[in-house]
Amino acid sequence: DIQLTQSPSFLSASVGDRVTITCRASQGVSTNLAWYQQKPGRAPEVLIYAASSLQSGVPSRFSGSGSGTEFTLTISSLQAEDFATYFCQQLNTYPLTFGQGTRLEIK
Amino acid sequence: EVQLLESGGGLVQPGGSLRLSCAASGFTFGSSAMTWVRQAPGRGLEWVSTTSAGGATTFYADSVRGRFTISRDNSKKTLFLQMDSLRAEDTAIYYCTSFVIGATRFFQHWGQGTLVTVSS
Repeated sequence: DIQLTQSPSFLSASVGDRVTITCRASQGVSTNLAWYQQKPGRAPEVLIYAASSLQSGVPSRFSGSGSGTEFTLTISSLQAEDFATYFCQQLNTYPLTFGQGTRLEIK
Repeated sequence: EVQLLESGGGLVQPGGSLRLSCAASGFTFGSSAMTWVRQAPGRGLEWVSTTSAGGATTFYADSVRGRFTISRDNSKKTLFLQMDSLRAEDTAIYYCTSFVIGATRFFQHWGQGTLVTVSS
């Protein structure tokens, strides 16, 4: 199975900060990687697919990059509504797997 | 507006069974692969099972293979998950999702989830 390791697992930041979350895959997944945001008590929502494509309706402050085994999600200027948990997911090979999550909290 | 509405969760004893349903609307259900994802309380996301648009092809996580069965009724726009031989570790919120498969792949639409609790 392909393991996805996100770093950091916990991140404290302020409104206006630029933050980057990293997702490393134990094997190459090409660009078959997505990022999801989950707020407490809610279902996840897709932000980025194909490693760098922004889902319709998602603010442009979110961006993704990478291929193969290393990927990043960047939020260029944090807004209050961005404090949530973020998960990466590989869709290259079954079983499909998720990273353990990065919890982003207000400093 | 796309809607996925799960139902069928509840409290069940270890070894028992439950059947989850997911009613879809607002998109072409019969043309979409569908997936179940679960999330144990306070934990991360775990992919459970995927079915192709027509239902002929299915995939399962090792943790549920042989105990869970995914199926669909395209005429009723409904996805199912039959869960047998339930264990305490199956306790989770179960989400159904639509699965975009093509040049790009991702879980596009998610339901609100249904809670399954396995406990004596």
